[in-house]
Amino acid sequence: AQTVTQSQPEMSVQEAETVTLSCTYDTSESNYYLFWYKQPPSRQMILVIRQEAYKQQNATENRFSVNFQKAAKSFSLKISDSQLGDTAMYFCAFMKQLGGADGLTFGKGTHLIIQP
Amino acid sequence: NAGVTQTPKFQVLKTGQSMTLQCAQDMNHNSMYWYRQDPGMGLRLIYYSASEGTTDKGEVPNGYNVSRLNKREFSLRLESAAPSQTSVYFCASSAFPGDRNIRPQHFGDGTRLSIL
Repeated sequence: AQTVTQSQPEMSVQEAETVTLSCTYDTSESNYYLFWYKQPPSRQMILVIRQEAYKQQNATENRFSVNFQKAAKSFSLKISDSQLGDTAMYFCAFMKQLGGADGLTFGKGTHLIIQP
Repeated sequence: NAGVTQTPKFQVLKTGQSMTLQCAQDMNHNSMYWYRQDPGMGLRLIYYSASEGTTDKGEVPNGYNVSRLNKREFSLRLESAAPSQTSVYFCASSAFPGDRNIRPQHFGDGTRLSIL
């Protein structure tokens, strides 16, 4: 079974700063997918970014980028130029195959607070 | 709008009562999932369905039953509700492998369930 660990229960930064959220995972699979989801107070689950394990290049989506270290089983999320709207819970998640029937495995989340 | 629809959004039950949470998706997805989210935790998989007519247990299936009524609908039933089942429940769906350019899972807005 896979496990996903987020070691930072809460983080707080000033608006416009850069922040990095940490995630480590454990799996015996060689091919898999990793995701970061954002959950604002509305409790919607919003996909922020995804990374395929077979790709060496780190994924980027506008202000969001990841640092994927496959050997270390590490998958951190960097948010540049943070904005007040980035305040939310952030969950790291693992999936064995895209669209796979056995679902996502989530970490416990990091509560990110962007201060004005 | 296309997506995953959950009903109801909120519900309060008494211990021992039964209830069915409804979920429907209109994206012609094969796979559907039920998760629960407890305070301080990420989402945990209760049951999933890879296709119409099939269901499988996830990480935390005890106390729940599911029905994949057709390709669109996947319901979650609590036969005898217990306070430990107080949680927010999310339904999700995803296309079969090959949906590489689209979000891996589309989530509903959640059902907040309280059991007294």
